[in-house]
Order: sequence, then C-alpha cells, then structure tokens
Amino acid sequence: EAEVAQSPRYKITEKSQAVAFWCDPISGHATLYWYRQILGQGPELLVQFQDESVVDDSQLPKDRFSAERLKGVDSTLKIQPAELGDSAMYLCASSYSVLNNSPLHFGNGTRLTVT
Amino acid sequence: GDSVTQMEGPVTLSEEAFLTINCTYTATGYPSLFWYVQYPGEGLQLLLKATKADDKGSNKGFEATYRKETTSFHLEKGSVQVSDSAVYFCALSAPEGGGNKLTFGTGTQLKVEL
Repeated sequence: EAEVAQSPRYKITEKSQAVAFWCDPISGHATLYWYRQILGQGPELLVQFQDESVVDDSQLPKDRFSAERLKGVDSTLKIQPAELGDSAMYLCASSYSVLNNSPLHFGNGTRLTVT
Repeated sequence: GDSVTQMEGPVTLSEEAFLTINCTYTATGYPSLFWYVQYPGEGLQLLLKATKADDKGSNKGFEATYRKETTSFHLEKGSVQVSDSAVYFCALSAPEGGGNKLTFGTGTQLKVEL
C-alpha cells in the first residue's frame, strides 16, 4: 500500500536555528496537510494545500513558520527561528481530494526536539 | 468552534476484556466522525468512520455508532488483544468548515496486558 513519506524521522536543533521537514504524499493525492502534535495532545492543523495553493494556514505561526508545495507534489515545512515550544511531532497527511470524507493518510512524522 | 472530548487515559485492560472509549463532540451542522489509531513511533491510521447519524463504523473488531442525540461516537471492542495497545484519537470533519479538515480529541492511551 502506498504511503506518505516524511523525513527526517527525528531532528534535534538548538533554539534560534532553522529547521526544515519534507513530505512526499501518496501519488495522485491533490490535498496535503501539515499537522503538529504536541506530546499528550491530538494533532492540530497547521496548513493545508490543494495542489500548489494554500487552502488554510490560519493556525500557522507565520512569523516563524513557512510551508510550500511548489509543484503540487512534495512539500517542505520550515521553522526559523526555532523556539523551545516548537518541540513536537510534525505529521504530514494527504488525501485524494479536498472534498469532505476523502480519507486522510498520515506519514510517520518528524519528531522535533528544540534545546 | 468545533471540538472533540475523549475520556482520559491510560486505560489498562486484561486481554479479552471489553473496551469502551468515550468520545463526544461539538460541531455545527452534521460532521463526519472518525477514530484513528496511533501505534508507538508511527503516524495515525484510520480505524473507522461514520458519516451520518445512526451509522455504525466497524473495522478489526472495533465498532462505533454515530449518535446525534447524544453527540457521541464511543469506540467499543468486545475482546481486546495485546496488539491493540496504542493511542486512539476521536476526530470530526465538519462540512461547514470546508476543506476536509480534521479536529482531533486529545487521545486515549490503551494498554492491554496478558
């Protein structure tokens, strides 16, 4: 079964440094999501793409976070500068369409630790 | 806004015991409801879903019924196994919000012991 690929699996960085995460969705999936999961909590949506366009980034801290999906396929999420409170699991998901009930498929995530 | 409330964990059960994990929601309109499971070190996997009132989602022995009158979607399994140990997330997708976005609960950790 096709999977959502994410890298790296783990990242340790010092505060004030820049960090980037990469996601390759399932082939043919037009919609891509980045979620942040703080330890002990449920995932929260950061940004959603439909093809290369941002559909929703209302919860993305735009002063330090940026996301792009230039060719409408893979995506990069960047944090600059990283802060201690950014330590979390960053999950990428994709779905076939933006229509309601199109199942989301999640990658295994990138666990970020900011020291 | 939309929200999902789950019972706090961890829930510790013996193998073959009956499982219930409570989930209630608040949403405008008629959301779709989901249960996701997260095994250690992995991403979330869709376990089951229900898209309208009185629908029952089922998969791998797990069941949940969409109860609009009580705004609930409790997860049940008749006989749990050690391999069911994981964190379970209840989630909703509200069509009025658009965009197929999921709102998750905080998760309930299940530990099954021999």
